[in-house]
Amino acid sequence: AQSVTQLGSHVSVSEGALVLLRCNYSSSVPPYLFWYVQYPNQGLQLLLKYTSAATLVKGINGFEAEFKKSETSFHLTKPSAHMSDAAEYFCAVTTFNAGGTSYGKLTFGQGTILTVHP
Amino acid sequence: SAVISQKPSRDICQRGTSLTIQCQVDSQVTMMFWYRQQPGQSLTLIATANQGSEATYESGFVIDKFPISRPNLTFSTLTVSNMSPEDSSIYLCSVEGSYNEQFFGPGTRLTVL
Repeated sequence: AQSVTQLGSHVSVSEGALVLLRCNYSSSVPPYLFWYVQYPNQGLQLLLKYTSAATLVKGINGFEAEFKKSETSFHLTKPSAHMSDAAEYFCAVTTFNAGGTSYGKLTFGQGTILTVHP
Repeated sequence: SAVISQKPSRDICQRGTSLTIQCQVDSQVTMMFWYRQQPGQSLTLIATANQGSEATYESGFVIDKFPISRPNLTFSTLTVSNMSPEDSSIYLCSVEGSYNEQFFGPGTRLTVL
């Protein structure tokens, strides 16, 4: 079964500082990985996705993530935080069956709340 | 990406009553998904809804409590039955994209008193 662990339920950074949100996954087959952002009182918006192409994935709003198979990680980064980045971020992995066929559904991490200080 | 709308956006309900949530997509999709997000928690999949077949429920969720309809390729409903305060959550529908990513609706914020 696939699973996702997000290290740190809360991360606080200063405006202009590096943002690093950690995600580790467990999967018996090559995974598809995703980062979503949820702003207060809104639904989930897809930030970026890894689908077995380039290991460094660039997304919207200046975010990027690197797939590291050896570390089973997919950490999200942004070089310079902006106040508008304050939100909750979710890492997710596609759920596959034993034969490697996708069920089409996602398993989510517990989420990381990002706070940005002026 | 698909554009997804949900109705209602929020509601406050009395315990013991039922609420039906609607999800509309702007394109035809095979699978639709219903998730629950309890306060301060992550998302948990309730069920997968395919057009023309019974919904497939995840462990811990049953059809009597969360009946789902999928009458066509652009629409689905989720009913939360016989509600209790523990059902207070955000309920989100989603559809699958080309690379197994999912696109989410804005959610329905339910409070049960």
